[in-house]
Amino acid sequence: KAGVTQTPRYLIKTRGQQVTLSCSPISGHRSVSWYQQTPGQGLQFLFEYFSETQRNKGNFPGRFSGRQFSNSRSEMNVSTLELGDSALYLCASSLGDSFNQPQHFGDGTRLSIL
Amino acid sequence: AQTVTQSQPEMSVQEAETVTLSCTYDTSESDYYLFWYKQPPSRQMILVIRQEAYKQQNATENRFSVNFQKAAKSFSLKISDSQLGDAAMYFCAYRSPNTGNQFYFGTGTSLTVIP
Repeated sequence: KAGVTQTPRYLIKTRGQQVTLSCSPISGHRSVSWYQQTPGQGLQFLFEYFSETQRNKGNFPGRFSGRQFSNSRSEMNVSTLELGDSALYLCASSLGDSFNQPQHFGDGTRLSIL
Repeated sequence: AQTVTQSQPEMSVQEAETVTLSCTYDTSESDYYLFWYKQPPSRQMILVIRQEAYKQQNATENRFSVNFQKAAKSFSLKISDSQLGDAAMYFCAYRSPNTGNQFYFGTGTSLTVIP
């Protein structure tokens, strides 16, 4: 079974631009969560989508948004990029219907803002 | 919000020795799950072990075991017979149905294995 796939692996943008990251979950998984990982802050939860609906949301500004498609693939969008948005963005999927299920992570997208 | 605390930013262990990584959490819930994830330099997060709060028996997965102290809200990870491949960042995580199934992660412990 293929794992969680995130594209692209690396991305370089400049301040003010916007970016879209993609995540394809494990087949059959309906929940997709996004995290921002930085050396000082660890993993910070952005949001979770389940069956095309945002089920949970972390404390990030409205510049961060996401969506999920009917095939469970998810995209995350960041508008008006700031230097502080430089981070590793991780996507994780799970079946989503029980809290005892672990999340399976992708390799992440490394976003660098110049 | 739930909080997960890993008080050891860095740890080191000699190859073949045993090391324990600590994790504490804050919750008023009685039903929840705890997880340890490993993130090697290749950066993919991998599940190491998980523990259900209702189970008193500590979880074990080969060389990895936990010491779950529910009353103390402590969930430490013990790695026995440490191997070079164990070098990684280790994250403790908490999840509960009453917090919307959201995962809460600690800030991680960087483990170095010394040959």
